[in-house]
Amino acid sequence: AQSVSQHNHHVILSEAASLELGCNYSYGGTVNLFWYVQYPGQHLQLLLKYFSGDPLVKGIKGFEAEFIKSKFSFNLRKPSVQWSDTAEYFCAVKFYGATNKLIFGTGTLLAVQP
Amino acid sequence: EADIYQTPRYLVIGTGKKITLECSQTMGHDKMYWYQQDPGMELHLIHYSYGVNSTEKGDLSSESTVSRIRTEHFPLTLESARPSHTSQYLCASSDPGYNEQFFGPGTRLTVL
Repeated sequence: AQSVSQHNHHVILSEAASLELGCNYSYGGTVNLFWYVQYPGQHLQLLLKYFSGDPLVKGIKGFEAEFIKSKFSFNLRKPSVQWSDTAEYFCAVKFYGATNKLIFGTGTLLAVQP
Repeated sequence: EADIYQTPRYLVIGTGKKITLECSQTMGHDKMYWYQQDPGMELHLIHYSYGVNSTEKGDLSSESTVSRIRTEHFPLTLESARPSHTSQYLCASSDPGYNEQFFGPGTRLTVL
């Protein structure tokens, strides 16, 4: 079955620390990859997305993600987090083929301490 | 400004009541979706629509129903609410190329 795994459920960092959130997906076919963020009390919003081309994609607010096809991974990174990055982060995958829907991971709750 | 709206934002209701969660978008998108999200869990697709008069059930079985009479409107109805329906319900829509889903603020439903 198609699935998306986020390994870190809760992450606590100090400001200026580097961030890497893991995301792995099943299935070896064509995929579109997304990271969404939900700040406290706000809508889910898109951080970045990958469809094709350069596997290193840059998103808003200094975030980037790298698609490694051989590892079925799409990890999110930020070199130096800020208190305002405190939020929940969701990885999502659109699998082509029999189902054409977006599958979400369980989310990672990031708390950045000032 | 193009956006996606959900009302109410919060709803506390007794068992057995009929409720309708509203979702409207002003982006002109044909595709719309309803997700259910419990705390600490992933979003589960419960309904989707590819256009007017098109509705399909998602991956997670739900006792709710949806309708799509107008492109911009995709309401979700529970005929008889139960405590097991307590959850957050998120509405989304996507552009023609299905390149990105845009989410509403969600409705947090509590059934007593």
